[in-house]
Amino acid sequence: EAEVAQSPRYKITEKSQAVAFWCDPISGHATLYWYRQILGQGPELLVQFQDESVVDDSQLPKDRFSAERLKGVDSTLKIQPAELGDSAMYLCASSPRGIGGPAGANVLTFGAGSRLTVL
Amino acid sequence: DQQVKQNSPSLSVQEGRISILNCDYTNSMFDYFLWYKKYPAEGPTFLISISSIKDKNEDGRFTVFLNKSAKHLSLHIVPSQPGDSAVYFCAASLLFTGNQFYFGTGTSLTVIP
Repeated sequence: EAEVAQSPRYKITEKSQAVAFWCDPISGHATLYWYRQILGQGPELLVQFQDESVVDDSQLPKDRFSAERLKGVDSTLKIQPAELGDSAMYLCASSPRGIGGPAGANVLTFGAGSRLTVL
Repeated sequence: DQQVKQNSPSLSVQEGRISILNCDYTNSMFDYFLWYKKYPAEGPTFLISISSIKDKNEDGRFTVFLNKSAKHLSLHIVPSQPGDSAVYFCAASLLFTGNQFYFGTGTSLTVIP
């Protein structure tokens, strides 16, 4: 069964350090999402890509966070510098459906996530 | 501003009984709704979905009901099994305006053997 791959699974870093997360979506999936989930809360969208283009990054703290999907396949989410409040699970998800595509394909498949702890 | 709300953080149910998880939303433009299940240290996994043109969708032990006038959906699990113990998230999507997904805060279900 096809999976969304994420690495690293766990990351411990000190505040002010840089950290990067990588995601490889299911092959052929047009849309890729990065979500942040703080313990006890639901996933919150950080950035959405359609192919290599950013569709929505309105909730991405752009002073410290950046995301790219250069060739429209895998993606990297970076935090520089990390702060204590960034401790969370960072989830990558992909969907086969692009904007305006068939409704039946509109299901997100999530990776296992990257757990970040900032000390 | 939370557009999708799950007001019950936790729920305990006896094995074999029905589990009912509730979800409310505020945006009447949402046109597609999903439920996800999440175990600790794993990503959410898709469970069942419903389009806004329907009011019920069934898949085995899982049924989702949608009440558009009340902006409310619920997930019924019958019969509940210990393996159903997990956190359940409802999500709402804007199919035709941007493909965004908005998640609720989750309900932790415990099925007691």
